[in-house]
Amino acid sequence: AQSVTQLDSQVPVFEEAPVELRCNYSSSVSVYLFWYVQYPNQGLQLLLKYLSGSTLVKGINGFEAEFNKSQTSFHLRKPSVHISDTAEYFCAVSPLSGGSYIPTFGRGTSLIVHP
Amino acid sequence: EAQVTQNPRYLITVTGKKLTVTCSQNMNHEYMSWYRQDPGLGLRQIYYSMNVEVTDKGDVPEGYKVSRKEKRNFPLILESPSPNQTSLYFCASSPRDRGSGGAFFGQGTRLTVV
Repeated sequence: AQSVTQLDSQVPVFEEAPVELRCNYSSSVSVYLFWYVQYPNQGLQLLLKYLSGSTLVKGINGFEAEFNKSQTSFHLRKPSVHISDTAEYFCAVSPLSGGSYIPTFGRGTSLIVHP
Repeated sequence: EAQVTQNPRYLITVTGKKLTVTCSQNMNHEYMSWYRQDPGLGLRQIYYSMNVEVTDKGDVPEGYKVSRKEKRNFPLILESPSPNQTSLYFCASSPRDRGSGGAFFGQGTRLTVV
C-alpha cells in the first residue's frame, strides 16, 4: 500500500515570491509521482508527473518538482508565483505494478497568493 | 475532447431518498474511481473499478454502491443518503498504462443531504 503526506495544509505567500509545497510518500514498491492542481469550483488537473529518468520534472504554469528517492520526497516549486496560482495542490502516487491503478492522494495544500 | 463528465454538478436532497450520480468517460479507459473531498481530509477513495463488471472498495465505501456494466460509465449510487454524505464528489478515469500520466477527473458533484 502507498501513503502520501503533504506537510503543510496551507501556504500563504506574496505575489512574485518563490514557493515550495512539500510532499513525502511511503510505498513498498516503486511508484509514479504526480502533482495535481484544483482551482476554485473546478476538478483536478494534472500539473506534472515523474515516471522515470531525470529527477527534475517541469510542468505547466512554471511549476517544477524534484524526485528524491532517498528521502522519498517529491516537492513542488515555483520561483515566482502569481495571484492566479491560488489553488489547492495535491500530491499523488501510483504503483508501477499491482494494486489499484488510480492514484493515492495526499490531503492537499492550499496555496494562497497575496498581492 | 477527452473528458470525464459527471452529472449533476449540484444536488440537494433529503435523507433517505435514493440518488444516482452519473459518470461517463470518452477515453476508453479501463480504470475508473469515485472520490469524496472534504475539508482537511483531502480526497478519499470510495470505490474503484479495474474493468467492466470488476469493482472494489476503496477507503470509505460505507453507504455507497457502484456498478460498471459498460466501460465508459461508472455511476455512484446512494441508496439511503444521510447528512454525513454531504460532500464534493469526483469521478476519475485512468488508462491501463500507468506511465501515461495519471488520472483524468470530472468537474465534481456537490451533494447536500438535509
